[in-house]
Amino acid sequence: EVQLVESGGGLVQPGGSLRLSCAASGFTFSSYWMSWVRQAPGKGLEWVANIKQDGSEKYYVDSVKGRFTISRDNAKNSLYLQMNSLRAEDTAVYYCARWYNWNDGFSNFDYWGQGTLVTVSS
Amino acid sequence: DIQMTQSPSSLSASVGDRVTITCRASQSISSYLNWYQQKPGKAPKLLIYAASSLQSGVPSRFSGSGSGTDFTLTISSLQPEDFATYYCQQSYSTPGTFGQGTRLEIK
Repeated sequence: EVQLVESGGGLVQPGGSLRLSCAASGFTFSSYWMSWVRQAPGKGLEWVANIKQDGSEKYYVDSVKGRFTISRDNAKNSLYLQMNSLRAEDTAVYYCARWYNWNDGFSNFDYWGQGTLVTVSS
Repeated sequence: DIQMTQSPSSLSASVGDRVTITCRASQSISSYLNWYQQKPGKAPKLLIYAASSLQSGVPSRFSGSGSGTDFTLTISSLQPEDFATYYCQQSYSTPGTFGQGTRLEIK
């Protein structure tokens, strides 16, 4: 059974830092792109970042470029999101999700974690 | 970035109703369109990928159609467990933007 379990969320002051982790199990972690998606309270979904299987390619939404860093450790089956210079507008539930690529070029998020809440407030 | 616009933003319907939700892309995305269902306090769940392909385990009352810029999600006969928020998402280009969501409520 595929499982994604996020941790590391919490309350942080504006300008502070936080590191989220996602522990993956039930599949060959090193074979898949992985992503972070967030959802502000009462709002919709926002894709945050993607990372290729070997970590050689990373993509970010413009609003987090230069502040957030996605990384992975395939030996530990773990995905990370280092968040620096946090702002109030980064307050959200952060989901770890597997980005599945079909052979015909289509792709989608097929498995999601339960999410971890990050609150940026003084 | 490609903008995704869903309509309506909210919808009231009854069990047994046929419901259609629309998603429009700001530019052509071919069939690179996914649909997700989210219930309160839960992670989203993939329903439809590649505009019209049903994800494994998803009931056949869910269907998707469209290509280019206009897409629809149809629920043929609403069941009590279908009341949730639905999101479309394009996978044509990065970032994979989502629509703002359609909240489906019980009438």
